[in-house]
Amino acid sequence: SAVISQKPSRDICQRGTSLTIQCQVDSQVTMMFWYRQQPGQSLTLIATANQGSEATYESGFVIDKFPISRPNLTFSTLTVSNMSPEDSSIYLCSAARGPQAGTQYFGPGTRLTVL
Amino acid sequence: DAKTTQPNSMESNEEEPVHLPCNHSTISGTDYIHWYRQLPSQGPEYVIHGLTSNVNNRMASLAIAEDRKSSTLILHRATLRDAAVYYCILRAHEGGNKLVFGAGTILRVKS
Repeated sequence: SAVISQKPSRDICQRGTSLTIQCQVDSQVTMMFWYRQQPGQSLTLIATANQGSEATYESGFVIDKFPISRPNLTFSTLTVSNMSPEDSSIYLCSAARGPQAGTQYFGPGTRLTVL
Repeated sequence: DAKTTQPNSMESNEEEPVHLPCNHSTISGTDYIHWYRQLPSQGPEYVIHGLTSNVNNRMASLAIAEDRKSSTLILHRATLRDAAVYYCILRAHEGGNKLVFGAGTILRVKS
């Protein structure tokens, strides 16, 4: 298994500012992902965080709004840029040992409120 | 991505078995069937997955129809801690482990 921690666990931010969320895995993993869960909704994949290269974004998500870094096999960050109230969501990171690994492990999430 | 259909909600009594259905009529031959659950205020957690044969683990059993167009997650004895949203997800073999979450089934367990 893998244990994933996220910082911060929650934050309240002002419109127009940016927040960087950190994701730390307790062991090396091949794949890391970032999801968004809007209030009362299911999870939506934002992007796959690739180590040493640019993240792979899903349709509807762009690098300028959600820049992602992954400097090594255990750590990634997601920045929510130029925030608006519509960005209020829970942001979750997850990890998997490989592209065909059966299990994906999720962090506890970061609850973001934008005023 | 192949789509799954689940009931919006189900209710169960504590200590009784629960059968959570999932329809996936457009499944392709290489799609894996995954189940995750999300307890209140937590991230999702893996429950079980399979390809063609039925699967058992310490958490649950997965029964897959012979034509693979439907599956059922079986919790053998529901407890209050099993109250969660259960997601049935198809993962493409070539999809690089991407998971596409649907709406899921809200399971309520009564004591």
